[in-house]
Amino acid sequence: DVKVTQSSRYLVKRTGEKVFLECVQDMDHENMFWYRQDPGLGLRLIYFSYDVKMKEKGDIPEGYSVSREKKERFSLILESASTNQTSMYLCASSNRVNEQFFGPGTRLTVL
Amino acid sequence: GQQVMQIPQYQHVQEGEDFTTYCNSSTTLSNIQWYKQRPGGHPVFLIQLVKSGEVKKQKRLTFQFGEAKKNSSLHITATQTTDVGTYFCAESNYAGGTSYGKLTFGQGTILTVHP
Repeated sequence: DVKVTQSSRYLVKRTGEKVFLECVQDMDHENMFWYRQDPGLGLRLIYFSYDVKMKEKGDIPEGYSVSREKKERFSLILESASTNQTSMYLCASSNRVNEQFFGPGTRLTVL
Repeated sequence: GQQVMQIPQYQHVQEGEDFTTYCNSSTTLSNIQWYKQRPGGHPVFLIQLVKSGEVKKQKRLTFQFGEAKKNSSLHITATQTTDVGTYFCAESNYAGGTSYGKLTFGQGTILTVHP
């Protein structure tokens, strides 16, 4: 059974903290993605990676960075968390133009 | 960048009624994927449409891709309470080799089914 896992389902952080969200996939997929989901706005792409150590900005990269040191792992980093980064964060992986497989999501609250 | 507009934002139906959500674009779409997200869950892939005028069925679900590849629809016949959730369309971006697999999502349609 294919799987995308995320390090936390729920996370509460304070403004200014550095936050790491981890995502691991076991399908040997080339592509990995980080989205945030907010009511009425759908899924918005933050960053994606098509290979190890490669990354590209999505539609809303400001305030975020990413790291992909291994093929199966893609990390999202909030260098200095702010309240407007309170959201649901979803990781996904895919092979080229095929379907994306999503993780369960991390609901992040920044106080 | 490419924008995919999805309507309606919300749809409330009685169990047994039909439901349709629409995706529209001002430019030609490469292909369309559809996802379903149950309440509290994550998006799950339903189907991909590639060809102009394509129609695909999955039990009570019918997916269509417009002749001009500028719109798509998902129709559910005789809704059931298990159909509750948010339905998203998404375009796969063929903008270049490194962008393969990147999706642009519509805003989603939230379906509520009253028993």
